[in-house]
Amino acid sequence: SSELTQDPAVSVALGQTGRITCQGDSLRSYYASWYQQKPGQAPVLVIFGKNNRPSGIPDRFSGSSSGNTASLTITGAQAEDEADYYCNSRDSSGNHYVFGTGTKVTVL
Amino acid sequence: EVQLVQSGAEVKKPGESLKISCKGSGYSFSSYWVAWVRQMPGKGLEWMGIIYPRDSDTTYSPSFQGHVTISADRSISTAYLQWSSLKASDTAMYYCARLRESFGGVTYYFDSWGQGTLVTVSS
Repeated sequence: SSELTQDPAVSVALGQTGRITCQGDSLRSYYASWYQQKPGQAPVLVIFGKNNRPSGIPDRFSGSSSGNTASLTITGAQAEDEADYYCNSRDSSGNHYVFGTGTKVTVL
Repeated sequence: EVQLVQSGAEVKKPGESLKISCKGSGYSFSSYWVAWVRQMPGKGLEWMGIIYPRDSDTTYSPSFQGHVTISADRSISTAYLQWSSLKASDTAMYYCARLRESFGGVTYYFDSWGQGTLVTVSS
């Protein structure tokens, strides 16, 4: 089955731009989705598809994809964006899904 | 409003059996795949498996195949995750999540999540 690799940690200054990447072979076939998880809470979908945000997700969150890499960008990071972020994709081998290793985002 | 509501926290001993639940509301439960996701203490999210309640078609992650059973009762809009013999290593938070598909079969995402069920296995 596929694996999705993320950097363990990313720091971004308040109000600045930060990017999280997710690499894996399955991303050549399927778009990634991105989830934000704050301590003690369930994950929340923030980006899906080419670059789509669910209702209620601020437009400072955006997504992009190229080859085997998907990216989540936070433009104008806020203190409340500090959280763990996970990518997810359907596995190329069938009706399986895989989560990335997760990235802890710190807003300085 | 789409909601997935999970059963409450459980404390069990090794070797005991357990079945936790995830009840959907606000949508046609039978028409959407429901996945289970494990999160061990301090660790990341792991996809365990998925079920289509309309016909109970189920797929498991190789990592969990044979260790858990996923089922659903569409008459009460509820999906289940069960163990026949728990181990201490099953201690984790378990989430259910609804799968959506769009844009010609290249976009899949989990748009609604349950609040999680904490399972603690300890002697």
